[in-house]
Amino acid sequence: GQQLNQSPQSMFIQEGEDVSMNCTSSSIFNTWLWYKQDPGEGPVLLIALYKAGELTSNGRLTAQFGITRKDSFLNISASIPSDVGIYFCAGMNYGGSQGNLIFGKGTKLSVKP
Amino acid sequence: SQTIHQWPATLVQPVGSPLSLECTVEGTSNPNLYWYRQAAGRGLQLLFYSVGIGQISSEVPQNLSASRPQDRQFILSSKKLLLSDSGFYLCAWKRGFGYTFGSGTRLTVV
Repeated sequence: GQQLNQSPQSMFIQEGEDVSMNCTSSSIFNTWLWYKQDPGEGPVLLIALYKAGELTSNGRLTAQFGITRKDSFLNISASIPSDVGIYFCAGMNYGGSQGNLIFGKGTKLSVKP
Repeated sequence: SQTIHQWPATLVQPVGSPLSLECTVEGTSNPNLYWYRQAAGRGLQLLFYSVGIGQISSEVPQNLSASRPQDRQFILSSKKLLLSDSGFYLCAWKRGFGYTFGSGTRLTVV
């Protein structure tokens, strides 16, 4: 089945640094999503991307839908302590059982004040 | 408004005991519903999904089962819990082109 390779698996950064993480797939997706999970909570949607090449920002977060539709990246600028958590990418193809999201394994972000 | 409820928030159960976790959604009809399990600090493992009442698809064979007795209710069960069933269980519903997750249940099997 379809799989997403998300990297890096974990990151330890200093407050104020920029962060970049990405996901790649061997097959194409029609939608890419990025979620953040705070400790002990369910994941929350950060950014949704619907078109190849699309670049979308949400505050300090920027995400892009790769031209090939097989990859996406998420950047966080000027990180702050509340950015700590696990970030998941997810891809979806439409229709039937293929309308389910495929999740990456997550990037665990730690921010040192 | 559209919301998802999941309970209990935490649960400690002995090995061999039964399990029932409940998830309900409000403000929508005929949602696609999902159960995920997450080991500590790890990725999301899809356990079951349902596209309608009585329709359950199992992604991973295991000690758990799921049922959908009503349109907006999704239940995760086990007849006899194992130590390996410990984890963080998340319910989700498909909302547009993404999922909305519940707040999760932390299950510890002792």
